[in-house]
Amino acid sequence: GNSVTQMEGPVTLSEEAFLTINCTYTATGYPSLFWYVQYPGEGLQLLLKATKADDKGSNKGFEATYRKETTSFHLEKGSVQVSDSAVYFCALTGANSKLTFGKGITLSVRP
Amino acid sequence: EPEVTQTPSHQVTQMGQEVILRCVPISNHLYFYWYRQILGQKVEFLVSFYNNEISEKSEIFDDQFSVERPDGSNFTLKIRSTKLEDSAMYFCASSRDLDYGYTFGSGTRLTVV
Repeated sequence: GNSVTQMEGPVTLSEEAFLTINCTYTATGYPSLFWYVQYPGEGLQLLLKATKADDKGSNKGFEATYRKETTSFHLEKGSVQVSDSAVYFCALTGANSKLTFGKGITLSVRP
Repeated sequence: EPEVTQTPSHQVTQMGQEVILRCVPISNHLYFYWYRQILGQKVEFLVSFYNNEISEKSEIFDDQFSVERPDGSNFTLKIRSTKLEDSAMYFCASSRDLDYGYTFGSGTRLTVV
């Protein structure tokens, strides 16, 4: 079945640091890939997505590139802010519409 | 921007009681979902709903769970006899199509005591 593996957390960074959150996946066929973000006390928000190989999703300074050869969709941001502190989930949808999530990783950004 | 609305935001119920969690999906969306997140754990799929019927359900979604779209706008999740381990945040989501990505509601925190 489909699965998503995220790097172990939590991650703590200083403001303006570079962020990479690793995500790899296992899926049959050609999944669509997503990053969701959950701010404290809130629900899940779609951050960005990519629907085919080599697509780059981007939003709010975050980027992730769909790498079929390495089955990865790593999330990056060049300069994090305190307001980026949240839990980040990598996810995919396969042939059906079900979203499969990774475990999530907590990012804390210090001023 | 269109939103998925969930009510209530927090529900406390006694073990063995029935609860109904309510959701209003985005009006032109066709696919509807329930997920749950036990505190500090992974977000888990419960059920997907399309064309007025369940299209897929997980092992968690046993006979105690049911979903309904009673009036063309609401989408409800019923837990017939709640257990302590049903305590979780329940998220409703809707989607326009399979590649578009979901829009999630802000969740209902269910506490079973």
